[in-house]
Amino acid sequence: NAGVTQTPKFQVLKTGQSMTLQCAQDMNHEYMSWYRQDPGMGLRLIHYSVGAGITDQGEVPNGYNVSRSTTEDFPLRLLSAAPSQTSVYFCASSYSRLAGVYNEQFFGPGTRLTVL
Amino acid sequence: KNEVEQSPQNLTAQEGEFITINCSYSVGISALHWLQQHPGGGIVSLFMLSSGKKKHGRLIATINIQEKHSSLHITASHPRDSAVYICAAPSHHEGVRSPSGGSNYKLTFGKGTLLTVNP
Repeated sequence: NAGVTQTPKFQVLKTGQSMTLQCAQDMNHEYMSWYRQDPGMGLRLIHYSVGAGITDQGEVPNGYNVSRSTTEDFPLRLLSAAPSQTSVYFCASSYSRLAGVYNEQFFGPGTRLTVL
Repeated sequence: KNEVEQSPQNLTAQEGEFITINCSYSVGISALHWLQQHPGGGIVSLFMLSSGKKKHGRLIATINIQEKHSSLHITASHPRDSAVYICAAPSHHEGVRSPSGGSNYKLTFGKGTLLTVNP
């Protein structure tokens, strides 16, 4: 299994540009999420999905869109990039939460995004 | 007050020393995650625990549910243990429900503890 994969690893954008961060998992996980990590702060949830076609907002959703057309893929779209979106982005997945909170989170390698 | 607080923020040790990282949380239900973030940035899950103690190699995690406190210990530390260690507390989250009917939760993360082990 490849686990959770993310592309690209690095990206530089200009203010106002749009782009999509890709995330895929091959573990048939129901739950997928996007986090951003900023210096001096803990990981913060942007959007999450509990299955194909079902997504919801996290703590910091503004400026981002997501969709989940398949179980495997959960792309994150930046609509109009702003310098405040400079961050490291992590995608994560876990098994069905029917078992409660004891499901291990699997993280992708991260995407380092700089918006000029 | 942060909902999940870790101490210390930075920790430098000599190889072989016993390491303790603490996590106190004010949110969440009775469980806690410990994660490790490598210098290259990748994050891996170390432990999920809801009571008592768990051990994996030289890593030991303990939790006191009543006091909402957890500790991560590293015995016989080694330079390869150098990383950021993150604790995360799950709490119920109002939102969409999974088709399998599982309860929703979100993770609140601490800011991390940067551990450097010198040879």
